[in-house]
Amino acid sequence: DVKVTQSSRYLVKRTGEKVFLECVQDMDHENMFWYRQDPGLGLRLIYFSYDVKMKEKGDIPEGYSVSREKKERFSLILESASTNQTSMYLCASSSPGQGGANVLTFGAGSRLTVL
Amino acid sequence: GIQVEQSPPDLILQEGANSTLRCNFSDSVNNLQWFHQNPWGQLINLFYIPSGTKQNGRLSATTVATERYSLLYISSSQTTDSGVYFCAVVPGSARQLTFGSGTQLTVLP
Repeated sequence: DVKVTQSSRYLVKRTGEKVFLECVQDMDHENMFWYRQDPGLGLRLIYFSYDVKMKEKGDIPEGYSVSREKKERFSLILESASTNQTSMYLCASSSPGQGGANVLTFGAGSRLTVL
Repeated sequence: GIQVEQSPPDLILQEGANSTLRCNFSDSVNNLQWFHQNPWGQLINLFYIPSGTKQNGRLSATTVATERYSLLYISSSQTTDSGVYFCAVVPGSARQLTFGSGTQLTVLP
């Protein structure tokens, strides 16, 4: 019954490493999102995509990039990881529903620690 | 951008008690959703409720869009209700959700 799958539950990386976080959804959703969650700050949007090969910046895109080569897959890339990118990363997908609603379905999250 | 404020930030209840969580937002919205994040981090959508009232078992939600707030009611709370409850909105001009900072609920046995 898994619908949004994030490739890694826990990752530990070193400063300066390139990090890939993968997200796959099997619901044929058009929209995909990457959020990061930090204590006291809620969820903040990093990037989102409404179509293949399309991406838009969210509220905190600095230090991140994304790739969407296929409809079902949305990758978050940290080109050079830094300690302030230690966080929980959450992927979500949605599709316009009745009345234009976009009800999000989330993956289980990827907890990244950068040493 | 739009401001989303949730209250209270923390809530501790005895099993069986009722509770009300509040979400205030600073601008008109066309989409409002409530989520529950369990202690293992999984976020589950509870309600899509841009206006009106909905009920799902022991949970119900009401959004008064004209007054820019939404309420989530939990009745006869259970320990499995513990976790963080998030409100998220889409302002009229945007396409993506903005989240509040959440209410941490702990239900004691």
